[in-house]
Amino acid sequence: DTGVSQNPRHKITKRGQNVTFRCDPISEHNRLYWYRQTLGQGPEFLTYFQNEAQLEKSRLLSDRFSAERPKGSFSTLEIQRTEQGDSAMYLCASSSTAPDGLLNTDTQYFGPGTRLTVL
Amino acid sequence: AQKVTQAQTEISVVEKEDVTLDCVYETRDTTYYLFWYKQPPSGELVFLIRRNSFDEQNEISGRYSWNFQKSTSSFNFTITASQVVDSAVYFCALSERGFGNEKLTFGTGTRLTIIP
Repeated sequence: DTGVSQNPRHKITKRGQNVTFRCDPISEHNRLYWYRQTLGQGPEFLTYFQNEAQLEKSRLLSDRFSAERPKGSFSTLEIQRTEQGDSAMYLCASSSTAPDGLLNTDTQYFGPGTRLTVL
Repeated sequence: AQKVTQAQTEISVVEKEDVTLDCVYETRDTTYYLFWYKQPPSGELVFLIRRNSFDEQNEISGRYSWNFQKSTSSFNFTITASQVVDSAVYFCALSERGFGNEKLTFGTGTRLTIIP
């Protein structure tokens, strides 16, 4: 496995611009998560896909945010009309649901993140 | 709602000392997972351990050990004979066994500095 990859690693943009981030999960992982991490805090859940279906969104995900996973492989996270408060590290994680008796094995493996700075 | 508390914001110890990072969690579920992740200066979260709520056995992996106590809702992490490479931010996280979504709730992290 090559691990979870994210692009770009850094993005600087001006307030009001749109940005898009990409996440490539570990191959054959059917679940993909997006988190946001601000300085001095732990990651906060944003949204989650199982295959191509987006199954849950956090309240943190305003209508300016949209995420897709069109073919159940890579995912994109788009932020429209960026605000300074959107400055953060955006983390992607993937996992595999492999039945293991009564419990699913579902450990999330994280990518290196995309650091967004909104000027 | 689930919650994870890491009361220690920053810890500094001299190399080769032992150090314990505390984690206290809250959940209404009887089935859940607890995790520890390490975030070195490079920024990538590195998975260290996962423990399910039915398994209270302590675990040891090299210099790392974990103490899970359901009675006190704690999942503490000990590093013995610390090394400079252990310097990082460590996060404890909780995942409830919902209906297919194992989203993680993280604590605010403990920044560990190992002084050579």
